[in-house]
Amino acid sequence: RKEVEQDPGPFNVPEGATVAFNCTYSNSASQSFFWYRQDCRKEPKLLMSVYSSGNEDGRFTAQLNRASQYISLLIRDSKLSDSATYLCVVVSGGSYIPTFGRGTSLIVHP
Amino acid sequence: DTAVSQTPKYLVTQMGNDKSIKCEQNLGHDTMYWYKQDSKKFLKIMFSYNNKELIINETVPNRFSPKSPDKAHLNLHINSLELGDSAVYFCASSPKYNSPLHFGNGTRLTVT
Repeated sequence: RKEVEQDPGPFNVPEGATVAFNCTYSNSASQSFFWYRQDCRKEPKLLMSVYSSGNEDGRFTAQLNRASQYISLLIRDSKLSDSATYLCVVVSGGSYIPTFGRGTSLIVHP
Repeated sequence: DTAVSQTPKYLVTQMGNDKSIKCEQNLGHDTMYWYKQDSKKFLKIMFSYNNKELIINETVPNRFSPKSPDKAHLNLHINSLELGDSAVYFCASSPKYNSPLHFGNGTRLTVT
């Protein structure tokens, strides 16, 4: 099983839709979790950290389920500008190396 | 006032050459990283470094070596370049382990 797994998609949704991505991780000692966004030919940029109690930033909600070892990202009211690749990042307690998932591609169409 | 800067942005070179990519961060972060993003867009860690410890991904060929003259710089040297080294290389930094990463804008390396 890969350390961090994501459905590559693409997820093709209309503007205004709600879309959710999941990311599973294999190391139960993982300590920190993040969602990044990467636009084509650009560097990844932090979207949000993921906290145990769940957290929200505008239209974006992130959740952590330690028992099932996954994190999720929910995007409400999708905008065209949300089209990008969303990368899940997990930092394990032992190595402290941020490990990236392969990313989930989102395409929001008019 | 760029936070993490890499140079060059594009690098085209021939097989067998030796090249370097420079990375500098002005955020005062303790930890710096090099990642490789291949044609399938998968970001793989190559090195993680703070001023006391270097962690090397054991799958990285020893033709790749990080060099850190000080806490704000982590350069990447590549010897005897191969076609398979063609990729985008990202430098990143973070205040400490467990913190979010700040990325440079990448170096697109093409080996011909």
